[in-house]
Amino acid sequence: EVQLLESGGGLVQPGGSLRLSCAASGFNFRRYDMHWVRQDTGGGLEWVSAIDTAGDTYYPDSVKGRFTISRDNAKDTLFLQMDTLRAADTAVYYCARSQLWYYDIWGQGTPVTVSS
Amino acid sequence: EIVLTQSPGTLSLSPGERATLSCRTSQSVSNDYLAWYQQKPGQAPSLLIYGASTRLTGIPDRFRGSGSGTDFTLTISRLEPEDFAVYYCQQYSRSPLTFGGGTKVEIK
Repeated sequence: EVQLLESGGGLVQPGGSLRLSCAASGFNFRRYDMHWVRQDTGGGLEWVSAIDTAGDTYYPDSVKGRFTISRDNAKDTLFLQMDTLRAADTAVYYCARSQLWYYDIWGQGTPVTVSS
Repeated sequence: EIVLTQSPGTLSLSPGERATLSCRTSQSVSNDYLAWYQQKPGQAPSLLIYGASTRLTGIPDRFRGSGSGTDFTLTISRLEPEDFAVYYCQQYSRSPLTFGGGTKVEIK
């Protein structure tokens, strides 16, 4: 079964850091671009980052310089290092498998709350 | 950034009725690089349509995507009980990738 399983979310203070992981199974992980997408409490979806099969990375301006996406193809795992977190980063974070940069497989999500 | 505007915000319909959801983009979406997702409470979004009109394998044919340029539509021909959910459109023709605000299809 094709599956993505996120972990690492939680409560963090403003200015703090968090590292999310996404374990992939059931498909050839190294052959796919992978993304992180977040959903705020109001339901809005926002693209957060992408990493292609060559390891090149992409970010929107809202997280550029604060978030770092990476992957370990030997362990079929995707990561998101989030630094200098802000209240506006509070959301459920999903990892997603990309096909031409739309998403055919999503994880179940991991919640991140940035609050003092 | 391409802004996606979905309307209506909420659609109140009965099972068996037809649902028509709109997604308008602030700039033309090249190659019809537009996708539709369904999200049920407590679940992640799931892909229905990509390339504006291509159904993912296994998606019932009552779901139909259409449109091009800046005007796209998702039509559900006859609503089944399991179709009541929130629907999002997404453009993937230009970075940053962006989503619409969603349309909630609720039971009348």
